Amino acid sequence: DAKTTQPTSMDCAEGRAANLPCNHSTISGNEYVYWYRQIHSQGPQYIIHGLKNNETNEMASLIITEDRKSSTLILPHATLRDTAVYYCIVEGSNYKLTFGKGTLLTVNP
Amino acid sequence: DVKVTQSSRYLVKRTGEKVFLECVQDMDHENMFWYRQDPGLGLRLIYFSYDVKMKEKGDIPEGYSVSREKKERFSLILESASTNQTSMYLCASSGAEETQYFGPGTRLLVL
Repeated sequence: DAKTTQPTSMDCAEGRAANLPCNHSTISGNEYVYWYRQIHSQGPQYIIHGLKNNETNEMASLIITEDRKSSTLILPHATLRDTAVYYCIVEGSNYKLTFGKGTLLTVNP
Repeated sequence: DVKVTQSSRYLVKRTGEKVFLECVQDMDHENMFWYRQDPGLGLRLIYFSYDVKMKEKGDIPEGYSVSREKKERFSLILESASTNQTSMYLCASSGAEETQYFGPGTRLLVL
């Protein structure tokens, strides 16, 4: 059973913000929201994670709604190198990350 | 920065061969993981280890074994490689903060 729902693909213009949505309506109180991305033929790269507060790091911002049923990953100034599949993962235990199909983000020049 | 390295990026083996995939992490992480990734199936957990000499089966352990003799090294062993084990193999590690960090992957082709 999929815990998260993401659009299959999205496009973004270079230099603009990329906003990637994720629905996780069945999230439990102790489950975190993780975001990873995978550039073609490479291993997944950790981006950010959060429980209920918004988070920001050098790569991205994570906005989690108050009811925690959805979140948005924001890449503030997308570059061509941000083209990748982005995975939203909800897990309570880090022993098992379940990767779904993710969103293919294409950044266009 | 966390660094997870895998012994090979590409590997070609024959059916029936014994295959060793090595993973090394340099962050003194307690936990290490082996996944395989196949088109349409996503990442699937094969085995993980939460301490030296400790291992736990993941979702698809059949046909694989693992070894963790040192904290920084986690090996995946295919006792007798088969064509259905052709895949991308990914190693990851995590520490107290529990975030998993992945290596670059090994693309294995079994002929």
